[in-house]
Amino acid sequence: DQQVKQNSPSLSVQEGRISILNCDYTNSMFDYFLWYKKYPAEGPTFLISISSIKDKNEDGRFTVFLNKSAKHLSLHIVPSQPGDSAVYFCAASHGRSGNTGKLIFGQGTTLQVKP
Amino acid sequence: NAGVMQNPRHLVRRRGQEARLRCSPVKGHSHVYWYRQLPEEGLKFMVYLQKENIIDESGMPKERFSAEFPKEGPSILRIQQVVRGDSAAYFCASSPSGRSSYEQYFGPGTRLTVT
Repeated sequence: DQQVKQNSPSLSVQEGRISILNCDYTNSMFDYFLWYKKYPAEGPTFLISISSIKDKNEDGRFTVFLNKSAKHLSLHIVPSQPGDSAVYFCAASHGRSGNTGKLIFGQGTTLQVKP
Repeated sequence: NAGVMQNPRHLVRRRGQEARLRCSPVKGHSHVYWYRQLPEEGLKFMVYLQKENIIDESGMPKERFSAEFPKEGPSILRIQQVVRGDSAAYFCASSPSGRSSYEQYFGPGTRLTVT
């Protein structure tokens, strides 16, 4: 039962262009969403998050959009840089009673930014 | 840099042996999570611990796996009688809180290979 899905295993974009990574979820109890970036042989690094009470959060070149009715979120990177090439994981959590803050991860999308 | 430390980074065990994975959280963090990443998959939650307590072990296999987070010292994930299917990257994350809105900081992972 894959509650968080990243349907695109890979994405390739040109340097300077926009990268859009997508994520869908099925559990309406999720109220907090995060994006992590991961380089080979390293642990995931937190990028940006969004609460379910918002529909957009921006931090520098990174913006996350949340569409609760569609149970969909996306990460926009503008402009994309070669150093952004990594695997990006979408993760979700919910803070309702009984939850422990554990993260449910998608399968990841490998982003390649070409110079 | 007082980030999450994991050791060893690489561990090779023969079938039937025991594997012990250690995790030292960020200083001041009392919440530890363990995740497992199988090849070509996302991270899967295993267990959530606070000092001296297991809070949520819903992702742990019922047999052979155990975890602890003693009052002093690192958190330990122990796998007894390892099998080839246990080969994976094991990541530890720590957080200042168990609430979903708090970021989890990940360690570099331990890559377990069972031969």
